[in-house]
Amino acid sequence: EIVMTQSPATLSVSPGERATLSCRASQSINSNLAWYQQKPGQAPRLIINDTSTRVTGIPARFSGSGSGTEFTLTISSLQSEDFAVYYCQQYSNWPTFGGGTKVEIK
Amino acid sequence: QVQLVQSGAEVKKPGASVKVSCKASGYTFTKYGISWVRQAPGQGLEWMGWISGHDRYTKYAQKFQGRVSVTSDISTTTVYMDLRSLRSDDTAVYYCARGSGMYFYHYMDVWGKGTTVTVSS
Repeated sequence: EIVMTQSPATLSVSPGERATLSCRASQSINSNLAWYQQKPGQAPRLIINDTSTRVTGIPARFSGSGSGTEFTLTISSLQSEDFAVYYCQQYSNWPTFGGGTKVEIK
Repeated sequence: QVQLVQSGAEVKKPGASVKVSCKASGYTFTKYGISWVRQAPGQGLEWMGWISGHDRYTKYAQKFQGRVSVTSDISTTTVYMDLRSLRSDDTAVYYCARGSGMYFYHYMDVWGKGTTVTVSS
């Protein structure tokens, strides 16, 4: 099983600031990485697939990068609606999720 | 639009079974697989299993092997997840999610709203 590790567990950011979330795989997953956003009481929502491809309708302030074992989700200027929990998921092998990063208001 | 509509909340006793349904619409059912993912209270996401849309081939996470079954009815475009021998730590929200294509190695591009399963004596 490929283990996905996200850091930090919680990120405190002021609106308008930049947020950088990390996701590490226990072995190479090439570019087979997706990011999901989950708000309280809601289902997860896919925001990025294939490491850096934004889903239709996702604002350009969200960007993904990385390859192999190290990946990053960057939110360039946090808006109020971006405060949520973010999960990474690899699909190079049997699907596994990271533990999540909660982005909270500072 | 693509939609996955799940069945309602369930309360079960330990040792019982639960069957959750997921009705798909708005796309060609046979061209996409469906995964089941659960989320215990305050916890992260855990993938449980997957069924192919075109040949009903299934794969299950090792943790749930022997206790979970995922089936589908192509005529009604509905997928079912059956979890047996329930324990209190099976209390969770169970999501169905469409896979990104017909193959097993997939991300999940559309999610149902979730079904809360509570296991309590």
